[in-house]
Amino acid sequence: DGGITQSPKYLFRKEGQNVTLSCEQNLNHDAMYWYRQDPGQGLRLIYYSQIVNDFQKGDIAEGYSVSREKKESFPLTVTSAQKNPTAFYLCASSNPLATRYNEQFFGPGTRLTVL
Amino acid sequence: SQQGEEDPQALSIQEGENATMNCSYKTSINNLQWYRQNSGRGLVHLILIRSNEREKHSGRLRVTLDTSKKSSSLLITASRAADTASYFCATVRGETSGSRLTFGEGTQLTVNP
Repeated sequence: DGGITQSPKYLFRKEGQNVTLSCEQNLNHDAMYWYRQDPGQGLRLIYYSQIVNDFQKGDIAEGYSVSREKKESFPLTVTSAQKNPTAFYLCASSNPLATRYNEQFFGPGTRLTVL
Repeated sequence: SQQGEEDPQALSIQEGENATMNCSYKTSINNLQWYRQNSGRGLVHLILIRSNEREKHSGRLRVTLDTSKKSSSLLITASRAADTASYFCATVRGETSGSRLTFGEGTQLTVNP
């Protein structure tokens, strides 16, 4: 099955710890994205990558870091510098060169709770 | 401020009724997309309308776009309990069709059986 996966589904972290969220896709998409969603709100863009070994900051990049060493993978690290990391994190991918209009495909999300 | 703002924030209807959700935006767009999110899940792409289109249909979905008013509406006809979800509009700004999406805050739709 083609798709985009995120792991784990639930993640608990102690204050001061870094944590890495996984995102993998087998859709052969060039672009990948990380969003944060707080309760009752829309999605805010953290980071995005349009090609391997390249990524750009989104609207709320502070306290987060990413890497894009492989086309299939775009892990997100939530660092201890992120002041309020408890949220629902969504990864997405798209192939804007093929589809022209950047429809995005989403993973199931990771709910991060800082204890 | 949000590029896309949905209205209403919450909508509750009976099964079989139509549901209309609106989205307003501030800057020029290349296209506007609607997504659906079931509780605690990822988003699913529903429909896309380009800036030079005024109306588009897909099954029970009808989307309109008024670029002069910078607004769009999503109509779900003959709603079902399974349509209960949050619905988000997302815009792609400017001239580049492959640019990043900017999401609104969503409309929570509840369809009562």
